[in-house]
Amino acid sequence: DVQMTQSPSSVSASVGDRVTITCRASEGIATSLAWYQQKPGEAPKLLIYDISTLQSGVPLRFSGTGSGTDFTLTISSLHPEDFATYYCQQGEIYPLALGGGTKVEIK
Amino acid sequence: EVQLVESGGGLVQPGGSLRLSCVVSGLTFSDHYMDWLRQAPGKGLEWVGRIREKTNSYTTEYAASVKGRFSISRDDSKSSLYLQMNSLKTEDTAVYYCARDHPGKAYFDYWGQGTLVTVSS
Repeated sequence: DVQMTQSPSSVSASVGDRVTITCRASEGIATSLAWYQQKPGEAPKLLIYDISTLQSGVPLRFSGTGSGTDFTLTISSLHPEDFATYYCQQGEIYPLALGGGTKVEIK
Repeated sequence: EVQLVESGGGLVQPGGSLRLSCVVSGLTFSDHYMDWLRQAPGKGLEWVGRIREKTNSYTTEYAASVKGRFSISRDDSKSSLYLQMNSLKTEDTAVYYCARDHPGKAYFDYWGQGTLVTVSS
């Protein structure tokens, strides 16, 4: 099975900061990588798919890069509403798998 | 407006069974793959399984942790998705979400609000 490893598990940042989250797959997953945002008590929200394609309505401060096994989510300038937990997910190989999550906290 | 509404969660004893439902509106349910995911209290997200649509013979896929115990089905006439959970274990305690697959992709673009399943004696 493909394992998805995110780092860091948490990050403290301030409004306006640039934040980068990394996701590593245990084997190649081509371009089948998505990112989700989840706020407490809410369902996850799809942010980015196919490594770098923004879901409709997602602000341009979110971006995704990477290839093969190593992927990155970047928030260029944190807004107050961005404090949340972020998950990566591979959609290439069954069973589908998500990373353990990265909590972006207020510094 | 697209809505996915889960129901059927609750308290069940270890070894028991429970059936979750998810009613979908605002989209053509029969056209889409559908999935179940779960989230144990304070933990991350785990994909549970998927059911394809009629043109793909309603075939299913499951995570190893639930294979042989859980079964996914759908009723396109009712725009409804189901998760039959048998031989429940304490580690199945979680909020269960239904989700729609982004068309042509193995990602989840619409989610329900979740229903809590607690397995405890």
